[in-house]
Amino acid sequence: AQSVTQPDIHITVSEGASLELRCNYSYGATPYLFWYVQSPGQGLQLLLKYFSGDTLVQGIKGFEAEFKRSQSSFNLRKPSVHWSDAAEYFCAVGRMDSSYKLIFGSGTRLLVRP
Amino acid sequence: GAGVSQSPSNKVTEKGKDVELRCDPISGHTALYWYRQSLGQGLEFLIYFQGNSAPDKSGLPSDRFSAERTGGSVSTLTIQRTQQEDSAVYLCASSLDTGGWSGANVLTFGAGSRLTVL
Repeated sequence: AQSVTQPDIHITVSEGASLELRCNYSYGATPYLFWYVQSPGQGLQLLLKYFSGDTLVQGIKGFEAEFKRSQSSFNLRKPSVHWSDAAEYFCAVGRMDSSYKLIFGSGTRLLVRP
Repeated sequence: GAGVSQSPSNKVTEKGKDVELRCDPISGHTALYWYRQSLGQGLEFLIYFQGNSAPDKSGLPSDRFSAERTGGSVSTLTIQRTQQEDSAVYLCASSLDTGGWSGANVLTFGAGSRLTVL
């Protein structure tokens, strides 16, 4: 069965420092991969997606993610974190069977130190 | 509309009461999804609509949960005889559902309905 693992429940970084959030997936075929961000009291906003092609994907707000098939990973990165990046981040894999639904990881909460 | 609209944004109810949560998807989006987000948990899939039909109801946790969609637009999630474990944020999402994952078939989420069962 498909699954998504985000091993870090919380991550704290200093403002201006670099960031990497980990995501591992389990899926037999070529995965469709997504990162969403959820700010407090808000819905989920799509940061970026990977469907095929270039394994380094650029997203909004200066985020990028790299698909590594050999490691079954799709880690999210940002070179310099801003205080406004504090939020919860969700990795997801897209299924394609009876419904094009997303299977989400449990999320990583990012805290930013001033 | 411009985005996915959900109402109410907050609902407090007593155990045993029925509740209805409403989702108004983006105009023209044929696919609609309900997810549940419990405290400290990820998002749990509940049900998927394609038009007014629900080909995937596999995530509904019990027969107390039901959902319908009318006119290929608004959807209502109903929880009967609410229990304390039903307390969560219920998120709705919609997409164009072009028949495959593509740049167009990306889920857009509403802000959610926070349900608290006392």
